[in-house]
Amino acid sequence: AQSVAQPEDQVNVAEGNPLTVKCTYSVSGNPYLFWYVQYPNRGLQFLLKYITGDNLVKGSYGFEAEFNKSQTSFHLKKPSALVSDSALYFCAVRDEDTGGFKTIFGAGTRLFVKA
Amino acid sequence: GAVVSQHPSWVICKSGTSVKIECRSLDFQATTMFWYRQFPKQSLMLMATSNEGSKATYEQGVEKDKFLINHASLTLSTLTVTSAHPEDSSFYICSARRQGDNYGYTFGSGTRLTVV
Repeated sequence: AQSVAQPEDQVNVAEGNPLTVKCTYSVSGNPYLFWYVQYPNRGLQFLLKYITGDNLVKGSYGFEAEFNKSQTSFHLKKPSALVSDSALYFCAVRDEDTGGFKTIFGAGTRLFVKA
Repeated sequence: GAVVSQHPSWVICKSGTSVKIECRSLDFQATTMFWYRQFPKQSLMLMATSNEGSKATYEQGVEKDKFLINHASLTLSTLTVTSAHPEDSSFYICSARRQGDNYGYTFGSGTRLTVV
């Protein structure tokens, strides 16, 4: 069965510093990996995805993520954090083998960027 | 492009009544729509997958008679919470898969349901 783990409930970072939000996954086939951001009482906004190709994926708002097959990780990164990046971040995975297009979400990591 | 409208954004209802939540794809045809439930400070839990013109597929533990899903057209899916109880209070989010697109799903803005 597919699963996603976000080991940190919360990440604190100072504005201007680099940030990393961690994600590891488990699937039986090839993974489709996603990052989403959620602001209070709002739906999810898509940030980026990895389907195939370059392991380094660039997405919205200056975010990027690196797919590491050997470590089954897909950590979200940004070189310089902004206060406005403070939100709830979800990593998600879809297993190519499921055939049902179901997306499984991690528990979420709350990012606090301090001015 | 790829906008999903979810309505209402919030609703308060009395115990025992039913509530309908709509999820519309505004500028694309959605072959498949997904319904999620999110408890405070928790992740999204997939409730069911609905395909246009067919019965929804419910995840284990989700009562299909309580959470009625209808996907009558390629642009509209509805979730009806029947005989709502306070424990049904939650944030419900839909997402839609564009016809022919296996990767890009678009999410609605969510519905906050409070049952009193």
